[in-house]
This record gives sequence, C-alpha cells and structure tokens, in this order.
Amino acid sequence: AQSVTQLDSQVPVFEEAPVELRCNYSSSVSVYLFWYVQYPNQGLQLLLKYLSGSTLVKGINGFEAEFNKSQTSFHLRKPSVHISDTAEYFCAVSDLRGGSNYKLTFGKGTLLTVNP
Amino acid sequence: DGGITQSPKYLFRKEGQNVTLSCEQNLNHDAMYWYRQDPGQGLRLIYYSQIVNDFQKGDIAEGYSVSREKKESFPLTVTSAQKNPTAFYLCASSGGTGSSQPQHFGDGTRLSIL
Repeated sequence: AQSVTQLDSQVPVFEEAPVELRCNYSSSVSVYLFWYVQYPNQGLQLLLKYLSGSTLVKGINGFEAEFNKSQTSFHLRKPSVHISDTAEYFCAVSDLRGGSNYKLTFGKGTLLTVNP
Repeated sequence: DGGITQSPKYLFRKEGQNVTLSCEQNLNHDAMYWYRQDPGQGLRLIYYSQIVNDFQKGDIAEGYSVSREKKESFPLTVTSAQKNPTAFYLCASSGGTGSSQPQHFGDGTRLSIL
C-alpha cells in the first residue's frame, strides 16, 4: 500500500521569505505525485503534478516541486511567499498498479501561515 | 464554466436521521469521489465511482451510501449508522483513465450534529 508523510503540520514564515513544505511517500511501484492547496472553507485546488520527465515541476502561483526518487520525496518550494499564500497544502500520490487507478492517497496536510 | 457543485454548503443532522449531500459535475468526467476531511487528518476516501451504475467502497465507507445513476451526479447519504458524522465532505471528479489524471474538487459541505 502507498502512504504519504507530510513532515510538518504547521509552517509559519514571514512575508517574502522562502518556504519549503516537505513530503515523503512510500510505494513499491512507480508513482504520480500531486500538490494541492486548500483555502479556508473551500475545496482543493491543484498546484502542480509530477507524472514523468523532468524532476523539477513548476506550478501555479510561483510554486515548484522536485521529485527525488532515491529519497522518495516531493518537496514543495516557493522563493518568496505572500500573505495570500496562507492556506493548507496537501501532498498526494497515486500509483500505476492496475486496480488502484483513480485512487489518491493524501498526506495529513501542512498549514502554511505567512505573517507580515 | 465547468466545475463541481456541492450543496448545501452547511447541513445539520438530527439524531437518527439520514441526510443526503449533493454533488453535480459538468466536466464530463467518468470518475467521481467522496472524501471526508477532519482537522489534522487529511482526506479520507469514502466511496468512488469509475462509471455510471458502478461504485466501490473506499477506506471509511461504513455508515455511508452512494448512487451513480447519472454520469454528472454522485450523491452521498450519511446514514444514522454513522455515529460521528460531523466533518467537512468533499466531492471530486477526474477525467480519462488511469491514475495520472488530477482530481477536481467542489467547495465542500460542512455537516454538523444538532
């Protein structure tokens, strides 16, 4: 079975500082990886995804993530955050095994709080 | 604009009562999902459907039921057997086949007990 660990439940940062939200996964087969963002009382919005190819993936709102197969990690980064980036961020994984198509496994989320 | 509509936004349930949460999508997606979100728990899969008239249990299906009579609709019923129903419920859909397709989410329904 696959699993996702988001190493920090909360990350406070100051505006314009860089940020990294950490995600590690466990799976016995190749995976697809996703980062979603959730603003208060809303659904989840896709930030970026890794399917194949370049290990550095760029997403919306200036975020990027790097897939590291040897470390089974998919950390999310932004060089300079804004107040509006305050939200909860979820890492998710799906694998390529037959029979588990369509199912995503989510981490427990990281609450990013950007302070002025 | 295409998207997923969940209604109502807020719902209250009395003891012993069944309630139904609505989810409609106009994205022409084949697959639809229901998740439950509790603080600090992430999202847990309740049920999913890959095609009309077919659905499978997720990780926490006990106390819930679903139907998929139309491609665009996937209602979730929270039955009286669900003893702790207070949570934020999210509906999602994905298109095409295979696990590379990202899921698109509605804005959720918050269910509380009266």
